[in-house]
Amino acid sequence: GAGVSQSPSNKVTEKGKDVELRCDPISGHTALYWYRQRLGQGLEFLIYFQGNSAPDKSGLPSDRFSAERTGGSVSTLTIQRTQQEDSAVYLCASSLGGSGANVLTFGAGSRLTVL
Amino acid sequence: AQSVTQLDSHVSVSEGTPVLLRCNYSSSYSPSLFWYVQHPNKGLQLLLKYTSAATLVKGINGFEAEFKKSETSFHLTKPSAHMSDAAEYFCVVGGKGGYNKLIFGAGTRLAVHP
Repeated sequence: GAGVSQSPSNKVTEKGKDVELRCDPISGHTALYWYRQRLGQGLEFLIYFQGNSAPDKSGLPSDRFSAERTGGSVSTLTIQRTQQEDSAVYLCASSLGGSGANVLTFGAGSRLTVL
Repeated sequence: AQSVTQLDSHVSVSEGTPVLLRCNYSSSYSPSLFWYVQHPNKGLQLLLKYTSAATLVKGINGFEAEFKKSETSFHLTKPSAHMSDAAEYFCVVGGKGGYNKLIFGAGTRLAVHP
């Protein structure tokens, strides 16, 4: 597609429920990143995909968080047994390659609110 | 290891006056550096990037940044602020070849007053 698409744009859930956030990157972009942005704070790196593999998942905060990418395209970030501290905007970005010189194109984000 | 520090969490200027948003970085190798802007309720947008060509980088909307290796700085400037410049600005450090995780600064919120 023309840009990075994320869904849902807003998600309100109850504590303890599982949620899935979806990212559809720009066609042809091999690198995909997930970031988390808590209210009033900067971006916190979660995970990086090159193709379908995740060579860097060092930012996932706990084993409740997981992500996968299929077909070198769509990625899903799953949060199990959500907690209130998981409330944040989850941003997905893609780039042509994983080089640190590549420009990231960001989606509009998925705002997660855990009650 | 890489890190980036944005020295001001909030900057307030009057319309028509210069803007200076300060950023210092730490990197064990020659970095790539970026500034991204986030307007309220909008996605992040690239302002400019430095990848070892000219040390003075010009971006969109009249912004520019100068890479100073001796000072490990990459400050963002604009000669004359406009009301539409009010936003959150992020300084970002990355590597060159191969995979390098991009590290975002904590952000600087720019307010522009009439």
